[in-house]
Amino acid sequence: GAVVSQHPSWVICKSGTSVKIECRSLDFQATTMFWYRQFPKQSLMLMATSNEGSKATYEQGVEKDKFLINHASLTLSTLTVTSAHPEDSSFYICSARRPNFGNQPQHFGDGTRLSIL
Amino acid sequence: SQQGEEDPQALSIQEGENATMNCSYKTSINNLQWYRQNSGRGLVHLILIRSNEREKHSGRLRVTLDTSKKSSSLLITASRAADTASYFCATEPYYNQGGKLIFGQGTELSVKP
Repeated sequence: GAVVSQHPSWVICKSGTSVKIECRSLDFQATTMFWYRQFPKQSLMLMATSNEGSKATYEQGVEKDKFLINHASLTLSTLTVTSAHPEDSSFYICSARRPNFGNQPQHFGDGTRLSIL
Repeated sequence: SQQGEEDPQALSIQEGENATMNCSYKTSINNLQWYRQNSGRGLVHLILIRSNEREKHSGRLRVTLDTSKKSSSLLITASRAADTASYFCATEPYYNQGGKLIFGQGTELSVKP
């Protein structure tokens, strides 16, 4: 069964709306989770690393105030796209990795398709 | 930043044929991983190969790693229509900032029945 659950699967909303996406680790406690963005026919771009109990680490070029990340528990990280605009429309995917073990794969959620009208 | 390059970008084969995808990367790594993505879905982990390993098998999948050339290949033998998907390589950099992965551009595989 799924190791990482992502919700919602898709969102359609008006420009200016803030949208929250949840990523839950079902099988283990994830001290670190990752948020990616994917455009059609393209690869995954890492947006930020979500750290439980501390601030997220954002990749260069990603606006912290635009993409708010909260990792308040060991099983839940949320990504909030604030005041979303059409250019924020994309496929957002989260992942989690078992902690404290080297050479482990990441487990991915099924993604959230965000469409801003 | 993206550091992986994959080729081909797209590959179309007949069912039963073998499919080979190649991946190159730029920096030293802890490991290299291959993932599969069906259209509109998340990624599924296929194989992880460590930097001190040269070859790994899993069912119909065979992965090789050449750290001197900074390259890897994924071979799918006796392909099936259900193998149709995008395949991505991802490297975990040696400096390993918290286990993050750097993904290649991906290969879109189409297996025709």
